[in-house]
Amino acid sequence: EPEVTQTPSHQVTQMGQEVILRCVPISNHLYFYWYRQILGQKVEFLVSFYNNEISEKSEIFDDQFSVERPDGSNFTLKIRSTKLEDSAMYFCASSARRDRYQPQHFGDGTRLSIL
Amino acid sequence: TQLLEQSPQFLSIQEGENLTVYCNSSSVFSSLQWYRQEPGEGPVLLVTVVTGGEVKKLKRLTFQFGDARKDSSLHITAAQPGDTGLYLCAGASTGNQFYFGTGTSLTVIP
Repeated sequence: EPEVTQTPSHQVTQMGQEVILRCVPISNHLYFYWYRQILGQKVEFLVSFYNNEISEKSEIFDDQFSVERPDGSNFTLKIRSTKLEDSAMYFCASSARRDRYQPQHFGDGTRLSIL
Repeated sequence: TQLLEQSPQFLSIQEGENLTVYCNSSSVFSSLQWYRQEPGEGPVLLVTVVTGGEVKKLKRLTFQFGDARKDSSLHITAAQPGDTGLYLCAGASTGNQFYFGTGTSLTVIP
């Protein structure tokens, strides 16, 4: 069964550095998402992306964050000037359509640790 | 921000017992999904419910969407150790932004 893959599985970065998290969505999906889950807390929506532009973003997704689909397969989340509080699991998801019947398929996440 | 509260937060039961997990909100959702998440992995979709009052069954799991589409429940019959995990509900409102619940951590003891 097709799946969403994320790399790396664990990223350790010094505070203040930039980090890029990578995702390969399911190949025929058109809608892409990033979520984050701080340890012990709930999964939080960051951003959705369609047709090479951001569709929706949450309050968390400020100027520190950006997303990009640099080629036909990868979907990246860039975090600039990382802070300690950016430490979390970051999940990528994709869906074939944008409607309430269409499930989002999640990757296994990247654990980001900011030192 | 739309808040989805799940209860109980933690649940530990013996194998063979039945249980119900609740997902409640003051907001109306166009659809609601249930996921199970295991440590170190992403959420895995169990079911999507879209119609008020809808009931869906997945083997020993029964999902119900409230008539007003503000709440949902997950009932597991004869729980097994393989059911152990974090159960998450997620509601979709406008667009396709999902709001996740606080989660219920289930442990089934053999």
